Amino acid sequence: GQNIDQPTEMTATEGAIVQINCTYQTSGFNGLFWYQQHAGEAPTFLSYNVLDGLEEKGRFSSFLSRSKGYSYLLLKELQMKDSASYLCAAGRGNNLFFGTGTRLTVIP
Amino acid sequence: DADVTQTPRNRITKTGKRIMLECSQTKGHDRMYWYRQDPGLGLRLIYYSFDVKDINKGEISDGYSVSRQAQAKFSLSLESAIPNQTALYFCATSGGNSNQPQHFGDGTRLSIL
Repeated sequence: GQNIDQPTEMTATEGAIVQINCTYQTSGFNGLFWYQQHAGEAPTFLSYNVLDGLEEKGRFSSFLSRSKGYSYLLLKELQMKDSASYLCAAGRGNNLFFGTGTRLTVIP
Repeated sequence: DADVTQTPRNRITKTGKRIMLECSQTKGHDRMYWYRQDPGLGLRLIYYSFDVKDINKGEISDGYSVSRQAQAKFSLSLESAIPNQTALYFCATSGGNSNQPQHFGDGTRLSIL
């Protein structure tokens, strides 16, 4: 199967750190992508993990544990512009299977 | 200019009409995809193509067809639109390996009355 689970909504304070979790049960898994999507706009690529461990890109980091079927996206020093939906997507063969997204609201 | 361009951006039409959504890209990617996005359901793959001669069904292809006219163009058709095809449609492209990220167009908001 390709069940991708992530929380529906989260709220965090400007300047804080937030972790968005994603679990997957994808057979033939070949990598985990995170995308950001502002309301009414296109998803944009944030990160890709294929091996276990942490990948850091500026304020954003992504972690993967293949044995646990688990990933998280860590956002540091939150800014108001980080308010968006964050989509977890698991690769299987030549396709991506997306979670329903986590809507993050950053409050002052 | 956008790398992945979708037309139209918005469309309202009636049940039973034939509709074509178009996608063109300047990224030089071989792989192109059509998704629909519905509230609470996330992005779901309709069709994908890895080159001009290659068409593959995705998760929810019923009621849709596609044409890959050239490397840069991939169109999606609804032969006889029905209201539950009301959704936000995205075209995406990617490079030649499964570890390459997909790049999305700005979307087409389609409403079927």
